[in-house]
Amino acid sequence: DGGITQSPKYLFRKEGQNVTLSCEQNLNHDAMYWYRQDPGQGLRLIYYSQIVNDFQKGDIAEGYSVSREKKESFPLTVTSAQKNPTAFYLCASSILLPGEAEKLFFGSGTQLSVL
Amino acid sequence: AQSVSQHNHHVILSEAASLELGCNYSYGGTVNLFWYVQYPGQHLQLLLKYFSGDPLVKGIKGFEAEFIKSKFSFNLRKPSVQWSDTAEYFCAAYTSGTYKYIFGTGTRLKVLA
Repeated sequence: DGGITQSPKYLFRKEGQNVTLSCEQNLNHDAMYWYRQDPGQGLRLIYYSQIVNDFQKGDIAEGYSVSREKKESFPLTVTSAQKNPTAFYLCASSILLPGEAEKLFFGSGTQLSVL
Repeated sequence: AQSVSQHNHHVILSEAASLELGCNYSYGGTVNLFWYVQYPGQHLQLLLKYFSGDPLVKGIKGFEAEFIKSKFSFNLRKPSVQWSDTAEYFCAAYTSGTYKYIFGTGTRLKVLA
């Protein structure tokens, strides 16, 4: 089945530790996105990428880093510089069409908590 | 900066009541507008989308939304809600050329049986 796979489902981070959240898609989508979901704050864009080896900062990129070495994969690293990392992280992807936005396909999310 | 506002954070309705959830966006250029729904324990899924043409858009499960350009609004409506509509609803905007989808803060809808 085609879709987006996020792993792990739950992740715990110790103080000062970097952790990496995995996102893989087999939909052959060009664009991939990382969002952070906090209660009452909706989805906030962390990073996004339209093509391999290129990505842009979203609205809350500080304390996070990404890479896009393969079309199918867009891992997110939560660094020790992110002081409030506890949140639900969602990965999404979409086809890119000229002029018109296609819908986003979402993964099932990773819940990150700080120990 | 581009932003999306949803003014109703929590809505409680009885079954068969009518629903209208507000959404306003701030961007002067061409936008595509979306409503997504997140049922408890499920992935976010698309309810409906506006790109161009008829400003009244029909979606799944009896939902519709109206794009009013002069008011920068894209409100979601349903004439008669069901208990199964209990979920969180998100409005989102995509601006041509930026490749960014910006979401509102969401509205939690609870429908009482």
